[in-house]
Amino acid sequence: LAKTTQPISMDSYEGQEVNITCSHNNIATNDYITWYQQFPSQGPRFIIQGYKTKVTNEVASLFIPADRKSSTLSLPRVSLSDTAVYYCLVVPAPGSSNTGKLIFGQGTTLQVKP
Amino acid sequence: DGGITQSPKYLFRKEGQNVTLSCEQNLNHDAMYWYRQDPGQGLRLIYYSQIVNDFQKGDIAEGYSVSREKKESFPLTVTSAQKNPTAFYLCASSMVFDGRAGTGELFFGEGSRLTVL
Repeated sequence: LAKTTQPISMDSYEGQEVNITCSHNNIATNDYITWYQQFPSQGPRFIIQGYKTKVTNEVASLFIPADRKSSTLSLPRVSLSDTAVYYCLVVPAPGSSNTGKLIFGQGTTLQVKP
Repeated sequence: DGGITQSPKYLFRKEGQNVTLSCEQNLNHDAMYWYRQDPGQGLRLIYYSQIVNDFQKGDIAEGYSVSREKKESFPLTVTSAQKNPTAFYLCASSMVFDGRAGTGELFFGEGSRLTVL
């Protein structure tokens, strides 16, 4: 099962672009990468998912290099309301012994300052 | 409205008592999960189920039990064998697509906060 490693915390200012990188060195060939956002006393909320290269939606972009051993979540022009914990999660491929076993890491606490 | 409902939101337990946390979903999802979160920590997987009448242990299953008799329900029992049960418990569900659970999106409930007195 691919273990994920992220920075524990990051600071930013309103209006800046924030990039949070996650390391997943032993990701398997058909595993997916997903990112979640969590506010205090709430369940995490899905942000974005990808397999390779770049994925963009209305709130974020996800960059995955060719070797897929890391991924970077990019949040454009953050605001105070983006202050939260961000988790990357590797979704195991079907048919593996870990299929369905969704393990969250420690996450990155992002603090956006005015 | 489709979603996941956890109850109760707050629960107090005396040491030595078993308690059951309810999780119900009306999203028609095959897969369901239970996580535990301690203050300042990430989520830790307790149990997961990809189909009715089947479930697997996560990383911290000791002291917990589950059942999956219906697709929409995945109750978690915190037994007296769980030595430090005070925590925030989160239930989630997802589609199973092409044999892969969790593809696309996990949907979480609002959580249940258990305190042992």
